[in-house]
Amino acid sequence: DAGVTQSPTHLIKTRGQQVTLRCSPKSGHDTVSWYQQALGQGPQFIFQYYEEEERQRGNFPDRFSGHQFPNYSSELNVNALLLGDSALYLCASSSRQGLAYEQYFGPGTRLTVT
Amino acid sequence: QQQVKQSPQSLIVQKGGIPIINCAYENTAFDYFPWYQQFPGKGPALLIAIRPDVSEKKEGRFTISFNKSAKQFSLHIMDSQPGDSATYFCAASTGTGFQKLVFGTGTRLLVSP
Repeated sequence: DAGVTQSPTHLIKTRGQQVTLRCSPKSGHDTVSWYQQALGQGPQFIFQYYEEEERQRGNFPDRFSGHQFPNYSSELNVNALLLGDSALYLCASSSRQGLAYEQYFGPGTRLTVT
Repeated sequence: QQQVKQSPQSLIVQKGGIPIINCAYENTAFDYFPWYQQFPGKGPALLIAIRPDVSEKKEGRFTISFNKSAKQFSLHIMDSQPGDSATYFCAASTGTGFQKLVFGTGTRLLVSP
């Protein structure tokens, strides 16, 4: 049973560019959440998608946007990249059925903005 | 009110010792408290979680103690091993609607052989 997968593993971008990160949830999961983890910090919630709609959003600017596809996979888009956007971006999946509380994380995408 | 405060920032114990990591919260709406383990270069892995209707939960060598009146919870690792060396995060979320996890700042644990 495949867990949460994310691509790419690493990414280097220049200030002002745009980036798209991808996530495939754990089998049987229908909800995807995205988190940003700066070096030495705990993950910070960006937003959550269910049924292809954004359901909750953390304290992140509109430069951060997302999408969920009918197969439950998700994308995170960041526009006009800033140096401060350098971080590990984590995707977590969960299920609205059963134990909706449990979120399982992928390995993350390390984004470096130069 | 949405913060979860975690201590200590780092911890060194000898093999076989019992490291204890503490977390405190203010938001009384929180009703789910998981602990995650993260190794360098990896995503956080769910270790154990507790709901406020119980004061203690054990899974293998990991135990969560929960004090609802004090709004505190802690992780104990019994018979710690060098392989337990990792960063540990506590988190909290509310039970209504869609869950978003609020994380502590993490504790870097080193278990010496």
